[in-house]
Amino acid sequence: AQKITQTQPGMFVQEKEAVTLDCTYDTSDQSYGLFWYKQPSSGEMIFLIYQGSYDEQNATEGRYSLNFQKARKSANLVISASQLGDSAMYFCAMIKRWGSQGNLIFGKGTKLSVKP
Amino acid sequence: NAGVTQTPKFRVLKTGQSMTLLCAQDMNHEYMYWYRQDPGMGLRLIHYSVGEGTTAKGEVPDGYNVSRLKKQNFLLGLESAAPSQTSVYFCASSRDRVKNEQFFGPGTRLTVL
Repeated sequence: AQKITQTQPGMFVQEKEAVTLDCTYDTSDQSYGLFWYKQPSSGEMIFLIYQGSYDEQNATEGRYSLNFQKARKSANLVISASQLGDSAMYFCAMIKRWGSQGNLIFGKGTKLSVKP
Repeated sequence: NAGVTQTPKFRVLKTGQSMTLLCAQDMNHEYMYWYRQDPGMGLRLIHYSVGEGTTAKGEVPDGYNVSRLKKQNFLLGLESAAPSQTSVYFCASSRDRVKNEQFFGPGTRLTVL
């Protein structure tokens, strides 16, 4: 069965520094997609970044990048130049890419706190 | 362009009462989903739909029913609410199943006493 593990319940980072949020996944599928979502205290889920299992380059979206290491089954999120507004819960998620009904499997999340 | 909207935002029920949560999307997405989020659990899929008139069970479907009579709406029903259904409920939609970036609604906080 597919599974997402986020081992850091909470993290602190100084404003303007970079931070890495860990995510490992377990799947026997060859084709899958990995996502990161942000959930601020207001509660909405905000899509940040996507990585397909066959994508050769690591995905980047502005200050967000996904450090994809397929052999290690890890998909860590890197936030560069942290801002106070980055304080939130961050969820890693996975989906089968083909032949799937589109179910996302979520990890339990990491709470990031950015210090001024 | 409202994206995904959910009604209501908050609700308190007594055990045994019934209610329906409404999700609407204006992006013409085929796929729609209902999740629940419990403290320390992340999001878990309740039911989903791959198109108008279709529904399927997710990871935690017991105690819930859904309907997708119109493409833009996805309803989640609780026939006889239980305290274990106290949670935050999120609706989401996506355009396709390949990348499947899901757009989420703002959530409904439900308390069952």
